[in-house]
Amino acid sequence: DGGITQSPKYLFRKEGQNVTLSCEQNLNHDAMYWYRQDPGQGLRLIYYSQIVNDFQKGDIAEGYSVSREKKESFPLTVTSAQKNPTAFYLCASKVLGTGELFFGEGSRLTVL
Amino acid sequence: DQQVKQNSPSLSVQEGRISILNCDYTNSMFDYFLWYKKYPAEGPTFLISISSIKDKNEDGRFTVFLNKSAKHLSLHIVPSQPGDSAVYFCALQSNFGNEKLTFGTGTRLTIIP
Repeated sequence: DGGITQSPKYLFRKEGQNVTLSCEQNLNHDAMYWYRQDPGQGLRLIYYSQIVNDFQKGDIAEGYSVSREKKESFPLTVTSAQKNPTAFYLCASKVLGTGELFFGEGSRLTVL
Repeated sequence: DQQVKQNSPSLSVQEGRISILNCDYTNSMFDYFLWYKKYPAEGPTFLISISSIKDKNEDGRFTVFLNKSAKHLSLHIVPSQPGDSAVYFCALQSNFGNEKLTFGTGTRLTIIP
């Protein structure tokens, strides 16, 4: 079955620690995205990538980093510089030139 | 600066009636518009879309209307069913070589049996 797999589904982190969220897709999509969802704020774009070895900052990139070494993988690192990292993180992908995003099931990060 | 606003955080509708969800935007460069539906602890799923060359697109119980001059987008669901209870997001894209989608703040729709 084609789709997007995010892991882990739930993650707890102590303050000051970096954590990496995994996102893998087998849809052969070129574009991949990371969004963050907070109550009352909708989905806000963190980073996106249109091609391997290239990515662009979204609206709230500070405190996050990404890499795109393979077409199917787009991991997100939440660094200790992110001031309010507790949130629900969503990875998505799509075909270039189209609008329809396909989302993973999300990863909930809680900082203790 | 919120470019895309869904001014109703929540909406309750009786089963069988029409649900109308609204989305307003400020940037006239947006020219492709989508609606997504999201259940708790899941990723959003695509519902319906419309391009700026149209003012209406229909798919079963779902119809999206676009008023470009007013920069207003709406989703009509009729008849509303209990399974429609979810959070609905509008998402907008500018097609000038830009693969970025901007989402609204979401509206939680509750269908009352």
